Amino acid sequence: AAGVIQSPRHLIKEKRETATLKCYPIPRHDTVYWYQQGPGQDPQFLISFYEKMQSDKGSIPDRFSAQQFSDYHSELNMSSLELGDSALYFCASSLRIGTPNYGYTFGSGTRLTVV
Amino acid sequence: GDSVTQMEGPVTLSEEAFLTINCTYTATGYPSLFWYVQYPGEGLQLLLKATKADDKGSNKGFEATYRKETTSFHLEKGSVQVSDSAVYFCALIFTGNQFYFGTGTSLTVIP
Repeated sequence: AAGVIQSPRHLIKEKRETATLKCYPIPRHDTVYWYQQGPGQDPQFLISFYEKMQSDKGSIPDRFSAQQFSDYHSELNMSSLELGDSALYFCASSLRIGTPNYGYTFGSGTRLTVV
Repeated sequence: GDSVTQMEGPVTLSEEAFLTINCTYTATGYPSLFWYVQYPGEGLQLLLKATKADDKGSNKGFEATYRKETTSFHLEKGSVQVSDSAVYFCALIFTGNQFYFGTGTSLTVIP
């Protein structure tokens, strides 16, 4: 079965650079979520999109932005990177907001290292 | 607000020992409860879940029962193996469809 695809798997950037992380949800899933997991930390919710509109916002820094496109894939754009942005970034997808248990699936994550 | 409190680790057990990782939650209403496992360098994998009170989730010998009266969802396994070494996250999902995770419990099983 198709899963949530994230790219790239690993990314190394220098301070003050920008990074773009991509997430391809499970086919027919219409909702995408982004989480950030720092070293030794639990995943923290950043932002979610339903039908290409932002649906919920968590602890996402102002330097980050995200969007969901017409094909439902999502991109997380990170600017002015800081060392503290080094983390594992998870994407998850599900079908239709309001049914939280319906197929909520995590991707394998993108490991971002800022040097 | 909604939150999850999880037993702190790390936990070290000998192979075939009994495992319990405590998890309690705070939520208005009745969330769905989950256990996720994360192996070194990998993503989050769903281990088991329960969607209503008294439900028991089970998978790969792990079990957890949704206890509304004690707002708990403790993870248990009768006989752990070396391959169970990982970090275990308790989580809930309720309003807004975002997960709230516990802080994770690192388990190391030694032969």
